[in-house]
Amino acid sequence: ETGVTQTPRHLVMGMTNKKSLKCEQHLGHNAMYWYKQSAKKPLELMFVYNFKEQTENNSVPSRFSPECPNSSHLFLHLHTLQPEDSALYLCASSRGGDQETQYFGPGTRLLVL
Amino acid sequence: QKEVEQDPGPLSVPEGAIVSLNCTYSNSAFQYFMWYRQYSRKGPELLMYTYSSGNKEDGRFTAQVDKSSKYISLFIRDSQPSDSATYLCAMSAKGNTDKLIFGTGTRLQVFP
Repeated sequence: ETGVTQTPRHLVMGMTNKKSLKCEQHLGHNAMYWYKQSAKKPLELMFVYNFKEQTENNSVPSRFSPECPNSSHLFLHLHTLQPEDSALYLCASSRGGDQETQYFGPGTRLLVL
Repeated sequence: QKEVEQDPGPLSVPEGAIVSLNCTYSNSAFQYFMWYRQYSRKGPELLMYTYSSGNKEDGRFTAQVDKSSKYISLFIRDSQPSDSATYLCAMSAKGNTDKLIFGTGTRLQVFP
């Protein structure tokens, strides 16, 4: 596997379910990110981790809970979501530090019923 | 007012045309400017990265930044059907490069 991988690629869940999204980067990077992409809206940064420490939480509701056990893996735990949370969730990684570009995974398409 | 404005399109052009994609922004602190390409059902991939004002060329792609006008452009020469995708501009401020601010994306279709 190369680059940034995400699983699952598609997820359908009810509002009372609990599920987790997984991201893995094979680039030796130190920073990882979660973004939300909704139709006709810009990508919204949700969380940033640098060297496993959370450095950004962009006013994200508590029903989204990130976890970064090491610099290669990032999870997004989901519980009691709302239909408006349906979107494409993208993970990205970078080397961290200033001016470093971000590399994106293919995303998880989430549908909340 | 949004921090970054981008016409969502769609923009439809014939093969071989020159394509111009643009973004305007309001935050004068932005110094790093990127263009990403996103194919359907895929994540964004970085196309061009520029710092401050000026031009940068890479093959058929040219990125331009005009900081005085708060305006950035991506030009695609000799466009190909394989260029059909959504193009996202993104930018960040010095010392805050983790926080990328994206435009909504412009959907481009190049027909044979």
